[in-house]
Amino acid sequence: EVQLVESGGGLIQPGGSLRLSCAASGFTFSSYEMNWVRQAPGKGLEWVSYISRSGSTKYYADSVKGRFTISRDNAKNSLYLQMNSLRAEDTAIYYCARDASASDAFDIWGQGTMVTVSS
Amino acid sequence: EIVMTQSPATLSVSPGERATLSCRASQSVSSNLAWYQQKPGQAPRLIIYGASTRATGIPARFSGSGSGTEFTLTISSLQSEDFAVYYCHQYNNWPLYTFGQGTKLEIK
Repeated sequence: EVQLVESGGGLIQPGGSLRLSCAASGFTFSSYEMNWVRQAPGKGLEWVSYISRSGSTKYYADSVKGRFTISRDNAKNSLYLQMNSLRAEDTAIYYCARDASASDAFDIWGQGTMVTVSS
Repeated sequence: EIVMTQSPATLSVSPGERATLSCRASQSVSSNLAWYQQKPGQAPRLIIYGASTRATGIPARFSGSGSGTEFTLTISSLQSEDFAVYYCHQYNNWPLYTFGQGTKLEIK
């Protein structure tokens, strides 16, 4: 079964750091570009970051640029999001999502992990 | 940034009837548009990509149309499991993707 499973979310104080993980299974992870997408409580979807198959190319939304770092370990079939200098507005469910091979739509999503930034 | 605007914000339709959801882009995205369905407590699910191609396992009652800046998702003969929030997503401005704010499809 093709699957993405996120972990690492939790409650963190403003200014703190957190590292999210996304474990992939059921497909050849290294063959796919990957993304992080977030959803604030009761709100819509916001793309956060993209990484190429090799990990050499990365892009970020302006809202997280300079604070978040995306990475991957193809040997471990895992995607990561290092989040530093967290703010209250970063509170959201964070999803990892796979770029479809036939397009750049997101064809597989994880179940999400909740990040709450609060004192 | 390409801004995606969905309308209406909420659509009330009776089971068995047709639902038509709209998405407008602030500039042309060609046919690089996807639609997702999200139910409460669940992750989004890809419904349509390439503006009109159904994703794997999506029933034929879902159809997408449009190109450029105007897009439509049509669900013919609504089933109970179709009531959810639907998002459009442009991936033309790769990889600076943007989503619409969503349309909630509710039972009338």
